[in-house]
Amino acid sequence: GAVVSQHPSRVICKSGTSVKIECRSLDFQATTMFWYRQFPKQSLMLMATSNEGSKATYEQGVEKDKFLINHASLTLSTLTVTSAHPEDSSFYICSARSYGMNTEAFFGQGTRLTVV
Amino acid sequence: AQKITQTQPGMFVQEKEAVTLDCTYDTSDQSYGLFWYKQPSSGEMIFLIYQGSYDEQNATEGRYSLNFQKARKSANLVISASQLGDSAMYFCAMREGGGVGTSYGKLTFGQGTILTVHP
Repeated sequence: GAVVSQHPSRVICKSGTSVKIECRSLDFQATTMFWYRQFPKQSLMLMATSNEGSKATYEQGVEKDKFLINHASLTLSTLTVTSAHPEDSSFYICSARSYGMNTEAFFGQGTRLTVV
Repeated sequence: AQKITQTQPGMFVQEKEAVTLDCTYDTSDQSYGLFWYKQPSSGEMIFLIYQGSYDEQNATEGRYSLNFQKARKSANLVISASQLGDSAMYFCAMREGGGVGTSYGKLTFGQGTILTVHP
């Protein structure tokens, strides 16, 4: 199957700082990437959909100024959590697809963010 | 409205026995896809099985099979011959629509079921 790499796997940052999470498709061109957030023992909630070269589409209730998404190339999308606060601590995971990928969505390994 | 419902927060099964994880869904689309993922404690999402809405046969992948009952809008996962390594959280997910629009591929997940396999 296709490989999606997410980095870092864990990050601890101080309250008020920003942190960037990268999602890379290693062996295919990802026309669309999705960013999800997951609290412990809960479901994955879609935050936004990013298409290469265009602005991300955010789900209702997700602050676009707080969670900046950039999908500048067909192999890389980034999520930046700006001015992070303890309530932003969560597991963030990306998935990627390309045209023709209908039967599977490929996920990164996820990033566990802790804001102290 | 909840589109994917997993009613079993936790399930227990004896090693080598079969277990069924329930999933019901709601959609008005004629074309959709149903997925099952396994999430171990490490957090990665491991794809298990896929069923398309037009697929007449139930999907099977090794020890995993999907009991697809379209009229009842259910897509239960059956794991045969459970192994200790099957202990994890399991998610049912749905992709709506059959086009190739820019949001195609977006998945809606159920609440998840924590499966524990006992030796």
